[in-house]
Amino acid sequence: EAGVAQSPRYKIIEKRQSVAFWCNPISGHATLYWYQQILGQGPKLLIQFQNNGVVDDSQLPKDRFSAERLKGVDSTLKIQPAKLEDSAVYLCASSYGGVQYEQYFGPGTRLTVT
Amino acid sequence: AQSVTQLDSQVPVFEEAPVELRCNYSSSVSVYLFWYVQYPNQGLQLLLKYLSGSTLVESINGFEAEFNKSQTSFHLRKPSVHISDTAEYFCAVRASGSARQLTFGSGTQLTVLP
Repeated sequence: EAGVAQSPRYKIIEKRQSVAFWCNPISGHATLYWYQQILGQGPKLLIQFQNNGVVDDSQLPKDRFSAERLKGVDSTLKIQPAKLEDSAVYLCASSYGGVQYEQYFGPGTRLTVT
Repeated sequence: AQSVTQLDSQVPVFEEAPVELRCNYSSSVSVYLFWYVQYPNQGLQLLLKYLSGSTLVESINGFEAEFNKSQTSFHLRKPSVHISDTAEYFCAVRASGSARQLTFGSGTQLTVLP
């Protein structure tokens, strides 16, 4: 069974530029999560999708971050414009159902904003 | 709301020695507890979890953790570590019986020395 795929693995941009990350969850997994992991901290949930609907985006900085999950499969997380403090690893995870099911994590995208 | 404290950011230990990674949590409601492991350049993997029942839970690779409700702790232990156990370990908590999300600790880097 293929795992959660993410691309790109690394990205370096200048502040005020835009960036997008892509995630392909495990086949058949209805729930998809995006986390932000700042160096020295644990992952923090940004947004959770159930199929193509948003379940929780309470910690998503909506003035600059956006995410979509068209057709309930792949997802894209966008930052526009980026700030220095957005430098982090962005993790995508998926699970068969809601939070009671185990989450499977992708390898992450390491973003550096200069 | 829940919070997790991992008391040690780095734990160096010699091969075949025992190790304990400490985790304390704070919550006003009952919780589920988890340990995740992150090997270099890989995504997080679930190592073990406590949902209910026996307070001692074990993983397939020799780790164990004990839920101590009175001390609000969920420390991870292994009696004899291997070089391959070198990784970052994250403790996480979720309120039981709800749709609440995972809250992660800041992680402990375990380095096993030859």
